[in-house]
Amino acid sequence: DVKVTQSSRYLVKRTGEKVFLECVQDMDHENMFWYRQDPGLGLRLIYFSYDVKMKEKGDIPEGYSVSREKKERFSLILESASTNQTSMYLCASGQKNTGELFFGEGSRLTVL
Amino acid sequence: EDQVTQSPEALRLQEGESSSLNCSYTVSGLRGLFWYRQDPGKGPEFLFTLYSAGEEKEKERLKATLTKKESFLHITAPKPEDSATYLCAVGGGATNKLIFGTGTLLAVQP
Repeated sequence: DVKVTQSSRYLVKRTGEKVFLECVQDMDHENMFWYRQDPGLGLRLIYFSYDVKMKEKGDIPEGYSVSREKKERFSLILESASTNQTSMYLCASGQKNTGELFFGEGSRLTVL
Repeated sequence: EDQVTQSPEALRLQEGESSSLNCSYTVSGLRGLFWYRQDPGKGPEFLFTLYSAGEEKEKERLKATLTKKESFLHITAPKPEDSATYLCAVGGGATNKLIFGTGTLLAVQP
């Protein structure tokens, strides 16, 4: 079975702290994604990557950066966390030319 | 700009009471329409892909259909274990980039 593992299920951080969210997939997928999910707004794409060291902005990249140094690992970085970044963060991976994404269980981040 | 709208926002059914969820979309060129299921506290799980108008896919009590403007997820004789949020998305292609709707929260009562 495809597995997408997110490093932390729950995090509590303070405003201004740097936050790392890590995601690892074990199916050699080319494409990886970071979404955030908020009530009433659904899933919104932050960044995605279609190859090692390649990244593209999604719909809401402001305040976030990403890193993909290895094919299986995709990290989301909040350089200076703010309260409006309190959310559920979901990582996903998939083979290109399919719409079948495999999601991790999510990381719920609270910024105080 | 690609857009996906799902209705209703929430739906409560009695066990065995069939119904349909709607997903309407506007896209410049449909590469694919996708249905996902999301249980509380978990990530979405892929259900179906539809590529062209008239196409249908089935899985147990679920059937997804597609027209040029919308997709329906029909639930026949639902059971409590079908309770979840159902998400619709459009996109795909080489980058798999998907645009999601806000979902329909389905509750099936015994």
